[in-house]
Amino acid sequence: DTEVTQTPKHLVMGMTNKKSLKCEQHMGHRAMYWYKQKAKKPPELMFVYSYEKLSINESVPSRFSPECPNSSLLNLHLHALQPEDSALYLCASSQVLAGGPGELFFGEGSRLTVL
Amino acid sequence: AQSVTQPDIHITVSEGASLELRCNYSYGATPYLFWYVQSPGQGLQLLLKYFSGDTLVQGIKGFEAEFKRSQSSFNLRKPSVHWSDAAEYFCAVGATGGGNKLTFGTGTQLKVEL
Repeated sequence: DTEVTQTPKHLVMGMTNKKSLKCEQHMGHRAMYWYKQKAKKPPELMFVYSYEKLSINESVPSRFSPECPNSSLLNLHLHALQPEDSALYLCASSQVLAGGPGELFFGEGSRLTVL
Repeated sequence: AQSVTQPDIHITVSEGASLELRCNYSYGATPYLFWYVQSPGQGLQLLLKYFSGDTLVQGIKGFEAEFKRSQSSFNLRKPSVHWSDAAEYFCAVGATGGGNKLTFGTGTQLKVEL
């Protein structure tokens, strides 16, 4: 199974709502990632979890709160978002290699619209 | 810190023609290099990767790339493009000992004319 599954595929929320994005993988990968991608732009790294611990936070605003309950699951909790946060949110996973970054396996993304 | 440049924002080729997408990186040591492809509204799929060894790397869907240290380049090639290759292509670089952080280029949009 070489799949990363993201739910929901589409999400519309108001600026006062609280919602969550979910990501699951069963490849035994111990690194999981959240990326944000705006239209016609490359993915921007938000968070990296390695062995279920947050290892990289790219100075993401606190209205985005990541959670890694176990080695297969990754959540992104959303609260008090702004319209400019509307984007495609991509989850990815990889092996943890000693020398450098492993191959990332991406999900299809969650398309978020903030009204 | 590592960085990557994709000089071509858009490229249009005819179906059956050859393709080369350019990627230049900046990094002091041997980098970890990747090419990903993204179809509209989809996630990214890995085409190929270079960590070490043979500098000509074969990937999926008939793509290949060549690592040239002297030119700091990792260009993607395909001898004969198919209409289904139309997509966005991203080059990415990672650092040795840099943990799990990949830096993506700005991407090249490939259009295929029938």
